[in-house]
Amino acid sequence: EVQLVQSGAEVKKPGESLKISCKGSGYSFASFWIGWVRQMPGKGLEWMGIIYPGDSDTKYSPSLQGQVTISADKSISTAYLKWSSLKASDTAMYYCARHSVAGALDYWGQGTLVTVSS
Amino acid sequence: EIVLTQSPGTLSLSPGERATLSCRASQSISSRYLAWFQQKPGQGPRLLIYGASSRATGIPDRFSGSGSGTDFTLTISRLEPEDFAVYYCQQYGDSPGTFGQGTKVEIK
Repeated sequence: EVQLVQSGAEVKKPGESLKISCKGSGYSFASFWIGWVRQMPGKGLEWMGIIYPGDSDTKYSPSLQGQVTISADKSISTAYLKWSSLKASDTAMYYCARHSVAGALDYWGQGTLVTVSS
Repeated sequence: EIVLTQSPGTLSLSPGERATLSCRASQSISSRYLAWFQQKPGQGPRLLIYGASSRATGIPDRFSGSGSGTDFTLTISRLEPEDFAVYYCQQYGDSPGTFGQGTKVEIK
């Protein structure tokens, strides 16, 4: 069974760093693109970027380039989303999802709620 | 960046009725790369349709997708109580893989 399990909720202060994770199981993790999707409170879905764990090829949304870093460690089937300096506007639910062979986001993690507040 | 515009913003219908949701792209996209998702309160998104018209695993056949070029449609033939939710379209053929802003299907 394909599963993506994300790390738990985080409460951080502005300026702090953070790295959240997404661990895949039940499939060949290195062979499928993993995407990250942001959902701000009460808002819609926003595509952040994707990574191919096999070679760490990464693509970012132009609006978020430089704001976050996407990485992966295929040896432990885990993808990451990292901030070096959080802002209050980073408060959101973050989902990871697997891109199927056909390209659609077919399996989703349960989401990680990140709250940034002073 | 391809912009997807969904309409209407909210659809008020009764169980048993037919729902027709629209997704219009700012430029032509390959139908191979258009998906629809359902999201219920407090839950993550669920893939319904990919490739514009192919149902994902386990999705009931009352859900169907159609369209090409810049105009795509999600149809729910007869609404069940569990279908009241927010629906998003997404194109994934071009980077960034943009989402529409969503259509809420609510009980009338």
